Amino acid sequence: ETGVTQSPTHLIKTRGQQVTLRCSSQSGHNTVSWYQQALGQGPQFIFQYYREEENGRGNFPPRFSGLQFPNYSSELNVNALELDDSALYLCASSASLAGVETQYFGPGTRLLVL
Amino acid sequence: SQQGEEDPQALSIQEGENATMNCSYKTSINNLQWYRQNSGRGLVHLILIRSNEREKHSGRLRVTLDTSKKSSSLLITASRAADTASYFCATVGQGAQKLVFGQGTRLTINP
Repeated sequence: ETGVTQSPTHLIKTRGQQVTLRCSSQSGHNTVSWYQQALGQGPQFIFQYYREEENGRGNFPPRFSGLQFPNYSSELNVNALELDDSALYLCASSASLAGVETQYFGPGTRLLVL
Repeated sequence: SQQGEEDPQALSIQEGENATMNCSYKTSINNLQWYRQNSGRGLVHLILIRSNEREKHSGRLRVTLDTSKKSSSLLITASRAADTASYFCATVGQGAQKLVFGQGTRLTINP
């Protein structure tokens, strides 16, 4: 177990709706990253938060947004859902900004958009 | 976009045999990491190799890195049924904090 939890485990939404996914990092891990993994593909970086500020963003539109809270929890929000947003969403926490640090992944939230 | 490619995309071997997976990438890196994923669940970190290292071992795992060829390999020796999973390489670029993943190798160990 990595000590990183995500909720919910599964979610079904319809096109145009909004969704909030949640992640609870390991205590003391002040960096959290979110990844999207489409079926049969490797994860793709969405964005990273460090001490509650966005610290880098991948090639995702602004309707993907996030928040990080002081209690080591974070959220990924997706507005105006599209069919292609169907994927496994993974959060990962690490103890520092340094890329050499191991990132600890949660079990993921599987989102299906109909 | 993906950083690179993994080869093969799928590998099926008998229990007890060795499994080798390869990863190629495109840009300069700070380090390269290998992860395992069981049945579309969370990723488990296996091993990290820095750009100035050439080989690293962890239990039954052996990772090599050739920065001149921008490639890495993961060897799992004496495979077990429990090793059945998807394996991903991920790179961290110079000055970057994100992981850039390949598309993965799906490994099946037959009893």
